[in-house]
Amino acid sequence: DARVTQTPRHKVTEMGQEVTMRCQPILGHNTVFWYRQTMMQGLELLAYFRNRAPLDDSGMPKDRFSAEMPDATLATLKIQPSEPRDSAVYFCASGLAKLAGGPGGETQYFGPGTRLLVL
Amino acid sequence: TQLLEQSPQFLSIQEGENLTVYCNSSSVFSSLQWYRQEPGEGPVLLVTVVTGGEVKKLKRLTFQFGDARKDSSLHITAAQPGDTGLYLCAGAVYGGATNKLIFGTGTLLAVQP
Repeated sequence: DARVTQTPRHKVTEMGQEVTMRCQPILGHNTVFWYRQTMMQGLELLAYFRNRAPLDDSGMPKDRFSAEMPDATLATLKIQPSEPRDSAVYFCASGLAKLAGGPGGETQYFGPGTRLLVL
Repeated sequence: TQLLEQSPQFLSIQEGENLTVYCNSSSVFSSLQWYRQEPGEGPVLLVTVVTGGEVKKLKRLTFQFGDARKDSSLHITAAQPGDTGLYLCAGAVYGGATNKLIFGTGTLLAVQP
């Protein structure tokens, strides 16, 4: 049963500390997405990668957030320094994009999320 | 900015009742997806609709894509407690290389036994 895995599942940290969240996409998927979910803003796209290359990170605060894919089996989202307003659930999702794009859109498989609380 | 507004935001009903959730936008989407999210988990895809006017059925759930591909609805017949969860619509924006999803504001459904 292929699933997206995320670690840690929960993280409590103090303001100013560095936070690193990790995601293992489903084997064979070529697209990885990072989302943030809060009660006020809902589910927001932060960044996404295709074949490990960043395609769009316009939703991500550039001064403190960074996203990378060191290899095809690992995606990371880092916050440095963290702030209380970063408290949220961060989801990773992976999918298999059609080579030529198209109107259907690939199915995105979400991980269980990392619940982050910055005090 | 492309926005997807869902209504109602919250819905609490009794088992056996019918309900409809709406997803509206002023933007046109290449496709629209519906997800259900349970507490402590990520969203899970229920259906994708692509063609304007398309209707898809998944057991007691009926999904419709508006003719102009700007809106969608989800109708649940004879709701059951297992239908409880957060329902999210998501519009796909075709970016050439891949599709980006814009998620709706969500509808939290509680079905009481």
